[in-house]
Amino acid sequence: DAKTTQPTSMDCAEGRAANLPCNHSTISGNEYVYWYRQIHSQGPQYIIHGLKNNETNEMASLIITEDRKSSTLILPHATLRDTAVYYCIALTNSGYALNFGKGTSLLVTP
Amino acid sequence: DTAVSQTPKYLVTQMGNDKSIKCEQNLGHDTMYWYKQDSKKFLKIMFSYNNKELIINETVPNRFSPKSPDKAHLNLHINSLELGDSAVYFCASSLSNEKLFFGSGTQLSVL
Repeated sequence: DAKTTQPTSMDCAEGRAANLPCNHSTISGNEYVYWYRQIHSQGPQYIIHGLKNNETNEMASLIITEDRKSSTLILPHATLRDTAVYYCIALTNSGYALNFGKGTSLLVTP
Repeated sequence: DTAVSQTPKYLVTQMGNDKSIKCEQNLGHDTMYWYKQDSKKFLKIMFSYNNKELIINETVPNRFSPKSPDKAHLNLHINSLELGDSAVYFCASSLSNEKLFFGSGTQLSVL
């Protein structure tokens, strides 16, 4: 699976959009970009995933660059409950499970 | 109605003891996993079972033995506990290799 690189930490004001970047410059054509988050003391939670096209669901939007070497997870209106560690992972469709890196610790402030 | 439930939530035990952590999922998934999250917060896969068959077995001491009596259960038994086994253990499940659903974790403290 391709290695991903994320900033260690980010801050965001409540109500504003949180844009979390992820670099995956070695991603291969059949690898999906997955995002999970882990709120303190809880198990990780799936957010969204995509291959080439931008994706949106009730939780977030995922923007993948045309060359697929990076992506951005967007939380359109961050709330205090979005404070968590966000993990970006590249995974093939036939790949089972994965190890999670350090992720980005997002702090949403009032 | 919890999707992936694991018990106990907290486990405090002495070195050398044997303990088990249980996991059950009611999502109808065919694949279950055990992850370990250490003090540095890295989350690493330990085992994975698909339809009760072991498909992933990472470099884990053989003191750790997973057991899957059926597709809905994957228990983790640990023999001769060591201080370094202290961590949070997460169970997860998925439909084949689709998105993962995690339990709330078991915090194991070995004294």
